Amino acid sequence: GAGVSQTPSNKVTEKGKYVELRCDPISGHTALYWYRQSLGQGPEFLIYFQGTGAADDSGLPNDRFFAVRPEGSVSTLKIQRTERGDSAVYLCASSRQGPGSNEQFFGPGTRLTVL
Amino acid sequence: AQSVTQPDIHITVSEGASLELRCNYSYGATPYLFWYVQSPGQGLQLLLKYFSGDTLVQGIKGFEAEFKRSQSSFNLRKPSVHWSDAAEYFCAVGAVSGNQGGKLIFGQGTELSVKP
Repeated sequence: GAGVSQTPSNKVTEKGKYVELRCDPISGHTALYWYRQSLGQGPEFLIYFQGTGAADDSGLPNDRFFAVRPEGSVSTLKIQRTERGDSAVYLCASSRQGPGSNEQFFGPGTRLTVL
Repeated sequence: AQSVTQPDIHITVSEGASLELRCNYSYGATPYLFWYVQSPGQGLQLLLKYFSGDTLVQGIKGFEAEFKRSQSSFNLRKPSVHWSDAAEYFCAVGAVSGNQGGKLIFGQGTELSVKP
């Protein structure tokens, strides 16, 4: 079946602009996660959704970052007033349930470059 | 604090040689442990996971890992490396339950190069 998909694959924007990154999880997966991977680093947790609600948003770096999952499927990560330090690969993952079966399937990522 | 340490940033091995990638974790409860592989331009792929039971777990592509609670380690091994194994390898710990459920904490990764 289809895996996790993310669009766009690449996004170049200017400092101060607003961007939206989209994630389509595997069908039937109720849990969805966003991570950020900077060059030479491991992925860093941002936010976790169980269904429509954000169960853990402790990884969001500041209030410029926001994510939604209004119908419990597709999720959008929104970044306001982008800064050069936001440049990274943003990864989305989904799993069948929450922590009990915690095997997460990752998408290919969106590479965000802020000029 | 929860953390994962992969002491080796870059390892080079000859094709056919054995491999061991080190991973140490700090976690306050029984962890779920994972190894993922990331090839250039590819997403993260799960190699293997440890939830409970037998401390030696087998994964895909001939990889295995051993959970050692006393050493807080979960090292990844392969008896004979193939050129196609060249990639970045990430160890991760997952929260078992509670309001941190679902969060994976990754190490910084080990880049594996394979010499012909």
